[in-house]
Amino acid sequence: KQEVTQIPAALSVPEGENLVLNCSFTDSAIYNLQWFRQDPGKGLTSLLLIQSSQREQTSGRLNASLDKSSGRSTLYIAASQPGDSATYLCAVPTSGTYKYIFGTGTRLKVLA
Amino acid sequence: DTGVSQDPRHKITKRGQNVTFRCDPISEHNRLYWYRQTLGQGPEFLTYFQNEAQLEKSRLLSDRFSAERPKGSFSTLEIQRTEQGDSAMYLCASSLARPQANVLTFGAGSRLTVL
Repeated sequence: KQEVTQIPAALSVPEGENLVLNCSFTDSAIYNLQWFRQDPGKGLTSLLLIQSSQREQTSGRLNASLDKSSGRSTLYIAASQPGDSATYLCAVPTSGTYKYIFGTGTRLKVLA
Repeated sequence: DTGVSQDPRHKITKRGQNVTFRCDPISEHNRLYWYRQTLGQGPEFLTYFQNEAQLEKSRLLSDRFSAERPKGSFSTLEIQRTEQGDSAMYLCASSLARPQANVLTFGAGSRLTVL
């Protein structure tokens, strides 16, 4: 059974800081891993999809890495801005399926 | 195509009533997912479809819950005899069935309040 854990649960940083969000999963037989952003009361917005054959994926100030063997992914946000304040969620499929399991998220607050 | 649409956005109902939510996915997407999310938690998987076939249904989905995707396009999620514990945001997502391109695209969600 796939279980996904995200650490820290909440994070508050001053504007301009670089930061790392962590996601760990128990079943490493995955096709890919996805990172999402969720603003309060809204749906989820896809940020990055990283395939199991990739080690990194980048989009603007965001960089996601994947280490399947250790069951870990990190989301790196460079030069954080107040507009980055949101909850960040990772999602991983269960073995052999496309049923995605989500972590509980990291609530990020970037202070101006 | 403007993305994944969910209707209604908000529903307030009394305990014991039935409610139905509708999801219209992105037109070329053949996978469709339903999730439930409560405050402070990540989305919990409920069920998913590939075309019209329901591939998996969570044990969280009691016999009061049913989902359909009759023609492989839009989907409905019905909750019968609602309970206060059903109050949550119900999220729909769709994706392509290609491993290299199965990014989940979510709708804005349908918020259910059971009084």
